[in-house]
Amino acid sequence: AQKVTQAQTEISVVEKEDVTLDCVYETRDTTYYLFWYKQPPSGELVFLIRRNSFDEQNEISGRYSWNFQKSTSSFNFTITASQVVDSAVYFCALIEVVTGANNLFFGTGTRLTVIP
Amino acid sequence: DTGVSQDPRHKITKRGQNVTFRCDPISEHNRLYWYRQTLGQGPEFLTYFQNEAQLEKSRLLSDRFSAERPKGSFSTLEIQRTEQGDSAMYLCASSSPLAGVNEQFFGPGTRLTVL
Repeated sequence: AQKVTQAQTEISVVEKEDVTLDCVYETRDTTYYLFWYKQPPSGELVFLIRRNSFDEQNEISGRYSWNFQKSTSSFNFTITASQVVDSAVYFCALIEVVTGANNLFFGTGTRLTVIP
Repeated sequence: DTGVSQDPRHKITKRGQNVTFRCDPISEHNRLYWYRQTLGQGPEFLTYFQNEAQLEKSRLLSDRFSAERPKGSFSTLEIQRTEQGDSAMYLCASSSPLAGVNEQFFGPGTRLTVL
């Protein structure tokens, strides 16, 4: 069965600090997708990134970067120069393709608070 | 606004009452999902439609829960004889194969409180 672990329940940083959110996953599928979503206080989940299991290239988008390592089953998310607007709950999620499941399987989330 | 919309945004009900929520997906999306999110947890999958066909149901979807998508557009989720444990945020998402594998777009959710 699949599993997504976000061991950091809450993180607080001071504005402009860098912060890394950890995500470790388990799956028996050889083909899968990993996602990060942001849930601000308003409650709506906002898609940030999707990565498939065959693409281990790291990705950078502005202040956001993602490090995917199959060898350690990790898909970590780094925010550089954090801002107060980054305060939210961040979820890592997995979709298994081979088993045919169409639903996202989420971790329990990491609440990030950026202190001005 | 062409995103996923949900109605109502908040619902307070007494235990034992029935409630119904509505989700309107992004218009060209043929896939629709319902998730439930309790406090401090990630969303958990409830059910999935492709067009009007309900293709997957989680074991979380007890027989008090029923979901429909009669014309392959909007969907409704009904909970009968609500219990306090049903209190949660109910999230709807939609996707299209053309938009990328399972990139799901979420609505704002319906927060249910059962007294």
